[in-house]
Amino acid sequence: GESVGLHLPTLSVQEGDNSIINCAYSNSASDYFIWYKQESGKGPQFIIDIRSNMDKRQGQRVTVLLNKTVKHLSLQIAATQPGDSAVYFCAENNSGGGADGLTFGKGTHLIIQP
Amino acid sequence: DTGVSQNPRHKITKRGQNVTFRCDPISEHNRLYWYRQTLGQGPEFLTYFQNEAQLEKSRLLSDRFSAERPKGSFSTLEIQRTEQGDSAMYLCASRPRAGNSGANVLTFGAGSRLTVL
Repeated sequence: GESVGLHLPTLSVQEGDNSIINCAYSNSASDYFIWYKQESGKGPQFIIDIRSNMDKRQGQRVTVLLNKTVKHLSLQIAATQPGDSAVYFCAENNSGGGADGLTFGKGTHLIIQP
Repeated sequence: DTGVSQNPRHKITKRGQNVTFRCDPISEHNRLYWYRQTLGQGPEFLTYFQNEAQLEKSRLLSDRFSAERPKGSFSTLEIQRTEQGDSAMYLCASRPRAGNSGANVLTFGAGSRLTVL
């Protein structure tokens, strides 16, 4: 399954399938990007990050892809499990812009169907 | 270290009352952040401390909001004369010193949920 995080807030996939969550960021000066997972009633939890000098980074079952040309970020989750059900947020940071915090997108709710 | 700790986890108050939230960051993290999150939205930046100094405040932080980090360890966020629009989850996060391993990653607490009646 695939979604555009800002335009399709819910993505439903079958357990075991791969999922792709997309995010469009706004600041071309952003040089660091990060994905967080937030389960109901909990704070956001770090998943994976990537710097702007890279276009791909892999973790355990997750891959982040960065396309700076179109200011697009995606999170791929392989072989989804029930525990992957959560809201996923992308966030950006411009380390030279004076704002030390992260700017978050609106999030995509990933639902894993049994 | 048990991570970022926030309390209370839930607070219900009547409009016009004052509330205070506390955040205990990861002990070796010198940077501390407050965010606000409303239902269905991503966290929004409120303010940032480096050690005890408050270095940045968002325009979202009206004059009814005040944050402190007096000793560069725990922080408090106070909201005076609460309004129904203040109902949200207030998230605290911390980061290691710039240049340290993992310095870019914000570690969040579980949040303090405020309901203003």
